Amino acid sequence: ETGVTQSPTHLIKTRGQQVTLRCSSQSGHNTVSWYQQALGQGPQFIFQYYREEENGRGNFPPRFSGLQFPNYSSELNVNALELDDSALYLCASSLPQGGGVAQYFGPGTRLLVL
Amino acid sequence: QKEVEQNSGPLSVPEGAIASLNCTYSDRGSQSFFWYRQYSGKSPELIMSIYSNGDKEDGRFTAQLNKASQYVSLLIRDSQPSDSATYLCAVVAGGTSYGKLTFGQGTILTVHP
Repeated sequence: ETGVTQSPTHLIKTRGQQVTLRCSSQSGHNTVSWYQQALGQGPQFIFQYYREEENGRGNFPPRFSGLQFPNYSSELNVNALELDDSALYLCASSLPQGGGVAQYFGPGTRLLVL
Repeated sequence: QKEVEQNSGPLSVPEGAIASLNCTYSDRGSQSFFWYRQYSGKSPELIMSIYSNGDKEDGRFTAQLNKASQYVSLLIRDSQPSDSATYLCAVVAGGTSYGKLTFGQGTILTVHP
């Protein structure tokens, strides 16, 4: 167990809806990254938050947005859901020591868009 | 060319054998390399990190890094059926101030009794 928690564990939405996924980081970790993992693929970086600011972003459209709170927990919001958004969404926490620090993943939220 | 490439497998080895998992990456400036294990239906679990050329050992696991060849490998000695999982190679590219992990697609390992 990494100490990173995510909620909910599973979610079913319909196309066009909006979804909010939540993550609590491991104790002492103030950096949170979000990844999307499609079936049979490696995780794809969505964005990272540090000190409540977006600290880097991958190739995802603006309808993917996030927040980080003072307690370092984080939310991922996805608007106008598309069928291809069906995936496992992973949150990872780490210390903010540059790019070389190991990231520890939570259990993930499995999203199905119908 | 993909940024991080792994043979998707499946790689099948008998119990007790050495499993060798390989990964190549395209960004020559990459500085940080990680191996994660992912069981079916679960999230990735960090096994090893390596930053310098050479070998790094942790129990039955050895990570090997060759930056000149842009190659990272993971050896699992005395493989057990419980090692059956997907192994993900992840790289942090050079020139970024934040830790964006770029993953390969993973290698499926099956250890048979």
